[in-house]
Amino acid sequence: GQQVMQIPQYQHVQEGEDFTTYCNSSTTLSNIQWYKQRPGGHPVFLIQLVKSGEVKKQKRLTFQFGEAKKNSSLHITATQTTDVGTYFCAGDNAGNNRKLIWGLGTSLAVNP
Amino acid sequence: DAGVIQSPRHEVTEMGQEVTLRCKPISGHNSLFWYRQTMMRGLELLIYFNNNVPIDDSGMPEDRFSAKMPNASFSTLKIQPSEPRDSAVYFCASSFYGTGRTEAFFGQGTRLTVV
Repeated sequence: GQQVMQIPQYQHVQEGEDFTTYCNSSTTLSNIQWYKQRPGGHPVFLIQLVKSGEVKKQKRLTFQFGEAKKNSSLHITATQTTDVGTYFCAGDNAGNNRKLIWGLGTSLAVNP
Repeated sequence: DAGVIQSPRHEVTEMGQEVTLRCKPISGHNSLFWYRQTMMRGLELLIYFNNNVPIDDSGMPEDRFSAKMPNASFSTLKIQPSEPRDSAVYFCASSFYGTGRTEAFFGQGTRLTVV
């Protein structure tokens, strides 16, 4: 079945360092979404990418969608302690009963 | 809107008991999802409703699990009988699937502990 792989599973960084998480789908996606879950919280939507090669920025966060619409990345510049949490990608294949296929997430720890 | 509302927030029950989790989606949303989250398996989709109709229940672990959506503003997930391996955080999420953004809005979750 359709799968979305996300790497790395865990990442520890020093505050101020950059961080990147990668997402790869086994099939072409109609769009990909990114969510953040703080410890003890629930996933919160960050962004949706739809177009091939799309790049979107939210302050220190940069999101990319691959040309083939099968991979995506989230890059955080100069991490802060407020960035701590688990980042999930979720692929939407419009032909797959319109359900999101979730990656297992990347847990980010930031040392002050 | 208050967002997706789940109840209870925490549930501790004994093995063999029936557990019912409740969800009120965001008004106007036409899709509702039940997820289970554990450290080992991550975020798993259990069942997905569109316009109150179950579309995909392939993630429901076994017959002990059932879900209903009698109307657009309410859904339940029932586990009967419960087992210790059902212990997890259960999330309900809703979205509007149409054109444009289709993001899911999650409730706060129900932390279930079966002892």
